[in-house]
Amino acid sequence: AQSVTQLGSHVSVSEGALVLLRCNYSSSVPPYLFWYVQYPNQGLQLLLKYTTGATLVKGINGFEAEFKKSETSFHLTKPSAHMSDAAEYFCAVSDSRTSYDKVIFGPGTSLSVIP
Amino acid sequence: DTEVTQTPKHLVMGMTNKKSLKCEQHMGHRAMYWYKQKAKKPPELMFVYSYEKLSINESVPSRFSPECPNSSLLNLHLHALQPEDSALYLCASSQVRDPMWDTQYFGPGTRLTVL
Repeated sequence: AQSVTQLGSHVSVSEGALVLLRCNYSSSVPPYLFWYVQYPNQGLQLLLKYTTGATLVKGINGFEAEFKKSETSFHLTKPSAHMSDAAEYFCAVSDSRTSYDKVIFGPGTSLSVIP
Repeated sequence: DTEVTQTPKHLVMGMTNKKSLKCEQHMGHRAMYWYKQKAKKPPELMFVYSYEKLSINESVPSRFSPECPNSSLLNLHLHALQPEDSALYLCASSQVRDPMWDTQYFGPGTRLTVL
Protein backbone atom coordinates (compact mmCIF):
# COMPACT_ATOMS: atom_id res chain seq x y z
CA ALA A 1 0.00 0.00 0.00
CA GLN A 2 1.12 3.49 -0.73
CA SER A 3 1.24 6.34 1.74
CA VAL A 4 2.58 9.85 1.99
CA THR A 5 3.83 11.83 4.95
CA GLN A 6 4.57 15.53 4.98
CA LEU A 7 6.77 16.72 7.81
CA GLY A 8 5.30 19.87 9.33
CA SER A 9 1.66 20.76 8.92
CA HIS A 10 2.68 24.40 8.95
CA VAL A 11 5.90 26.03 7.72
CA SER A 12 6.80 29.72 7.95
CA VAL A 13 9.57 31.35 5.97
CA SER A 14 10.68 34.92 5.47
CA GLU A 15 10.24 36.55 2.09
CA GLY A 16 13.36 35.85 0.05
CA ALA A 17 14.35 32.80 2.11
CA LEU A 18 14.62 29.22 0.92
CA VAL A 19 11.41 27.21 0.85
CA LEU A 20 11.76 23.54 1.78
CA LEU A 21 8.68 21.37 2.13
CA ARG A 22 9.32 17.76 3.04
CA CYS A 23 7.59 14.72 1.61
CA ASN A 24 8.30 11.04 2.22
CA TYR A 25 6.42 8.20 0.65
CA SER A 26 6.08 4.48 0.79
CA SER A 27 5.34 2.43 -2.27
CA SER A 28 5.99 -1.18 -3.19
CA VAL A 29 6.58 -0.33 -6.83
CA PRO A 30 8.25 2.59 -8.62
CA PRO A 31 6.08 5.57 -7.81
CA TYR A 32 4.72 8.55 -9.59
CA LEU A 33 5.13 11.58 -7.34
CA PHE A 34 3.36 14.93 -7.42
CA TRP A 35 3.27 18.28 -5.72
CA TYR A 36 0.09 20.33 -5.84
CA VAL A 37 -0.57 23.84 -4.58
CA GLN A 38 -3.92 25.14 -3.37
CA TYR A 39 -4.37 28.86 -2.89
CA PRO A 40 -7.12 30.03 -0.53
CA ASN A 41 -10.60 29.36 -1.88
CA GLN A 42 -9.25 27.75 -5.04
CA GLY A 43 -8.81 24.32 -6.52
CA LEU A 44 -5.57 22.37 -6.76
CA GLN A 45 -2.90 23.18 -9.30
CA LEU A 46 -0.17 20.79 -10.30
CA LEU A 47 3.26 22.26 -9.52
CA LEU A 48 5.31 19.36 -10.84
CA LYS A 49 5.37 15.61 -11.19
CA TYR A 50 7.90 12.82 -11.42
CA THR A 51 7.01 9.78 -13.49
CA THR A 52 10.28 8.56 -14.95
CA GLY A 53 13.66 9.83 -16.11
CA ALA A 54 15.51 12.76 -14.54
CA THR A 55 15.17 12.76 -10.77
CA LEU A 56 15.35 16.55 -10.46
CA VAL A 57 12.03 17.89 -11.64
CA LYS A 58 11.39 21.53 -12.36
CA GLY A 59 7.92 22.92 -12.03
CA ILE A 60 6.02 26.14 -12.32
CA ASN A 61 6.61 29.30 -10.29
CA GLY A 62 10.28 28.47 -9.67
CA PHE A 63 9.66 25.28 -7.67
CA GLU A 64 11.60 22.07 -8.08
CA ALA A 65 11.71 18.69 -6.39
CA GLU A 66 14.16 15.83 -6.33
CA PHE A 67 13.19 12.18 -6.28
CA LYS A 68 15.55 10.28 -3.97
CA LYS A 69 14.75 6.60 -4.11
CA SER A 70 17.20 5.65 -1.34
CA GLU A 71 15.55 8.11 1.03
CA THR A 72 12.00 7.59 -0.32
CA SER A 73 11.71 11.35 -0.45
CA PHE A 74 10.42 13.98 -2.83
CA HIS A 75 11.09 17.30 -1.12
CA LEU A 76 9.90 20.54 -2.71
CA THR A 77 12.20 23.57 -2.82
CA LYS A 78 12.24 27.13 -4.07
CA PRO A 79 15.33 29.32 -3.68
CA SER A 80 13.53 32.51 -2.73
CA ALA A 81 10.07 32.74 -1.22
CA HIS A 82 7.58 35.26 -2.47
CA MET A 83 4.50 36.49 -0.67
CA SER A 84 2.37 34.93 -3.38
CA ASP A 85 3.71 31.46 -2.44
CA ALA A 86 1.58 31.41 0.72
CA ALA A 87 -0.74 28.46 0.19
CA GLU A 88 -1.44 24.83 1.07
CA TYR A 89 0.89 22.30 -0.55
CA PHE A 90 0.03 18.65 -1.07
CA CYS A 91 2.49 15.91 -1.92
CA ALA A 92 0.93 12.87 -3.60
CA VAL A 93 1.97 9.41 -4.78
CA SER A 94 0.61 6.73 -7.03
CA ASP A 95 1.88 3.41 -8.29
CA SER A 96 3.42 3.70 -11.70
CA ARG A 97 1.48 2.60 -14.74
CA THR A 98 -1.78 3.52 -13.12
CA SER A 99 -4.30 6.34 -13.18
CA TYR A 100 -5.12 9.60 -11.46
CA ASP A 101 -7.84 7.87 -9.47
CA LYS A 102 -5.12 5.91 -7.63
CA VAL A 103 -3.28 9.03 -6.47
CA ILE A 104 -2.91 9.21 -2.68
CA PHE A 105 -2.57 12.69 -1.22
CA GLY A 106 -0.52 13.61 1.80
CA PRO A 107 -2.06 15.60 4.65
CA GLY A 108 -0.74 18.92 3.35
CA THR A 109 1.61 21.63 4.54
CA SER A 110 0.45 25.20 4.97
CA LEU A 111 3.15 27.65 3.92
CA SER A 112 3.20 31.15 5.37
CA VAL A 113 5.55 33.83 4.03
CA ILE A 114 6.53 36.57 6.43
CA PRO A 115 7.33 40.01 4.96
CA ASP B 1 -7.51 27.16 -22.59
CA THR B 2 -6.79 24.95 -19.58
CA GLU B 3 -9.78 25.89 -17.51
CA VAL B 4 -12.28 23.83 -15.58
CA THR B 5 -15.25 25.88 -14.45
CA GLN B 6 -17.61 25.07 -11.60
CA THR B 7 -20.93 26.61 -10.65
CA PRO B 8 -22.09 27.77 -8.26
CA LYS B 9 -19.11 29.02 -6.23
CA HIS B 10 -21.09 28.79 -3.01
CA LEU B 11 -24.22 26.83 -2.14
CA VAL B 12 -26.22 26.71 1.06
CA MET B 13 -28.93 24.09 1.28
CA GLY B 14 -31.20 22.49 3.80
CA MET B 15 -31.26 18.78 4.47
CA THR B 16 -34.47 18.32 2.49
CA ASN B 17 -33.37 20.30 -0.57
CA LYS B 18 -32.35 19.00 -3.97
CA LYS B 19 -29.56 20.88 -5.71
CA SER B 20 -26.97 20.28 -8.39
CA LEU B 21 -23.33 21.21 -8.89
CA LYS B 22 -22.06 21.77 -12.40
CA CYS B 23 -18.61 21.31 -13.88
CA GLU B 24 -17.55 22.15 -17.42
CA GLN B 25 -14.37 21.83 -19.46
CA HIS B 26 -13.67 22.51 -23.13
CA MET B 27 -10.24 20.94 -23.39
CA GLY B 28 -11.54 17.76 -25.01
CA HIS B 29 -10.70 15.77 -21.90
CA ARG B 30 -12.30 12.33 -21.69
CA ALA B 31 -11.85 11.72 -17.97
CA MET B 32 -13.66 13.78 -15.34
CA TYR B 33 -13.53 13.49 -11.57
CA TRP B 34 -15.42 14.62 -8.46
CA TYR B 35 -13.56 15.13 -5.19
CA LYS B 36 -14.71 16.16 -1.73
CA GLN B 37 -12.39 18.24 0.42
CA LYS B 38 -12.99 19.01 4.07
CA ALA B 39 -11.27 21.99 5.65
CA LYS B 40 -7.53 21.54 6.17
CA LYS B 41 -7.64 18.06 4.61
CA PRO B 42 -6.54 16.64 1.25
CA PRO B 43 -9.13 15.91 -1.46
CA GLU B 44 -10.95 12.57 -1.40
CA LEU B 45 -11.98 10.98 -4.66
CA MET B 46 -15.70 10.39 -5.08
CA PHE B 47 -16.38 9.50 -8.73
CA VAL B 48 -14.56 9.08 -12.02
CA TYR B 49 -16.12 9.26 -15.47
CA SER B 50 -14.22 7.94 -18.43
CA TYR B 51 -15.61 8.56 -21.91
CA GLU B 52 -18.89 9.65 -20.30
CA LYS B 53 -19.32 6.39 -18.43
CA LEU B 54 -19.07 6.06 -14.67
CA SER B 55 -15.97 3.96 -14.03
CA ILE B 56 -15.31 4.53 -10.35
CA ASN B 57 -17.62 5.15 -7.40
CA GLU B 58 -15.67 5.26 -4.17
CA SER B 59 -18.50 3.95 -2.02
CA VAL B 60 -20.19 7.33 -1.99
CA PRO B 61 -23.65 7.50 -0.34
CA SER B 62 -26.57 7.49 -2.76
CA ARG B 63 -27.56 11.01 -1.71
CA PHE B 64 -24.79 12.04 -4.14
CA SER B 65 -25.69 11.22 -7.74
CA PRO B 66 -23.26 12.02 -10.56
CA GLU B 67 -24.20 12.54 -14.17
CA CYS B 68 -22.17 13.11 -17.31
CA PRO B 69 -24.56 14.37 -20.03
CA ASN B 70 -21.77 14.91 -22.57
CA SER B 71 -18.01 14.96 -22.84
CA SER B 72 -17.73 18.54 -21.59
CA LEU B 73 -20.15 18.53 -18.71
CA LEU B 74 -20.27 16.81 -15.33
CA ASN B 75 -23.01 17.26 -12.76
CA LEU B 76 -23.34 16.21 -9.16
CA HIS B 77 -26.93 15.98 -7.96
CA LEU B 78 -27.47 16.39 -4.24
CA HIS B 79 -30.46 15.21 -2.25
CA ALA B 80 -31.16 14.81 1.47
CA LEU B 81 -27.65 15.76 2.48
CA GLN B 82 -26.37 15.81 6.03
CA PRO B 83 -24.48 18.65 7.76
CA GLU B 84 -21.30 16.53 7.63
CA ASP B 85 -21.48 16.73 3.83
CA SER B 86 -20.51 20.39 4.07
CA ALA B 87 -17.22 20.69 2.20
CA LEU B 88 -15.49 22.03 -0.89
CA TYR B 89 -16.45 19.93 -3.92
CA LEU B 90 -13.80 19.89 -6.60
CA CYS B 91 -14.12 18.82 -10.19
CA ALA B 92 -11.12 17.82 -12.27
CA SER B 93 -10.43 16.58 -15.77
CA SER B 94 -7.65 14.97 -17.79
CA GLN B 95 -7.26 13.82 -21.37
CA VAL B 96 -6.29 10.36 -20.24
CA ARG B 97 -6.16 8.78 -16.80
CA ASP B 98 -2.47 7.90 -16.82
CA PRO B 99 -0.34 10.59 -15.12
CA MET B 100 2.62 9.61 -17.28
CA TRP B 101 1.02 11.18 -20.32
CA ASP B 102 -1.20 13.94 -19.10
CA THR B 103 -1.90 16.58 -16.47
CA GLN B 104 -5.04 16.69 -14.38
CA TYR B 105 -6.70 20.09 -14.12
CA PHE B 106 -8.86 21.14 -11.20
CA GLY B 107 -11.71 23.61 -11.04
CA PRO B 108 -11.99 26.22 -8.27
CA GLY B 109 -14.60 24.21 -6.41
CA THR B 110 -18.08 24.73 -5.01
CA ARG B 111 -18.21 25.43 -1.28
CA LEU B 112 -21.26 23.62 0.03
CA THR B 113 -22.89 24.27 3.37
CA VAL B 114 -25.67 21.99 4.56
CA LEU B 115 -27.86 23.40 7.31
